Amino acid sequence: DTGVSQDPRHKITKRGQNVTFRCDPISEHNRLYWYRQTLGQGPEFLTYFQNEAQLEKSRLLSDRFSAERPKGSFSTLEIQRTEQGDSAMYLCASSLPLPGQELWSSYGYTFGSGTRLTVV
Amino acid sequence: RKEVEQDPGPFNVPEGATVAFNCTYSNSASQSFFWYRQDCRKEPKLLMSVYSSGNEDGRFTAQLNRASQYISLLIRDSKLSDSATYLCVVTHFGNEKLTFGTGTRLTIIP
Repeated sequence: DTGVSQDPRHKITKRGQNVTFRCDPISEHNRLYWYRQTLGQGPEFLTYFQNEAQLEKSRLLSDRFSAERPKGSFSTLEIQRTEQGDSAMYLCASSLPLPGQELWSSYGYTFGSGTRLTVV
Repeated sequence: RKEVEQDPGPFNVPEGATVAFNCTYSNSASQSFFWYRQDCRKEPKLLMSVYSSGNEDGRFTAQLNRASQYISLLIRDSKLSDSATYLCVVTHFGNEKLTFGTGTRLTIIP
């Protein structure tokens, strides 16, 4: 499977615990994104990387959230001291801008299957 | 006010009917427009891009009206397999993120 992989698929954790999710993008994609989706809502942007550089972070990404992409390949999203409001689907996506369209990369966007987090 | 607004539905439509969704966006600097489809508990998948000239892909037609800042999706001869949530998406020039609407839930009834 050469798509975007996310692990784990499901995570149940107790409030106050730390959790970490992993995303493996499509290998030739240099851009990687994290989104969060709660029930009945569309996905909301959290952050994105170009190679190993984190270029934008949403206000949704509180100081309890941290994302890394140390070698410009896979990425991790960590949530510290989880709260019930963190329960959501966490989606990862990757993309590679088409030649001549390097200023945006919506084309080629591919989402992973997501990690569903439940905080109890 | 959300940047991208959609009627959440649900739309319950008999098989074979035509259904249309609209979406409005508030940022006039929005650059690119898309419709995504999301099945229950699955990831969103690109359905089609939306161009000012309008575009068609089989039974699906998308239109963009920049002056009124709305996007539409028309599904003709609806199939049971069209049942899903349809997400309106915009992006801005030089900005990497996709801004999603809340989605419109469609159920095709046999």
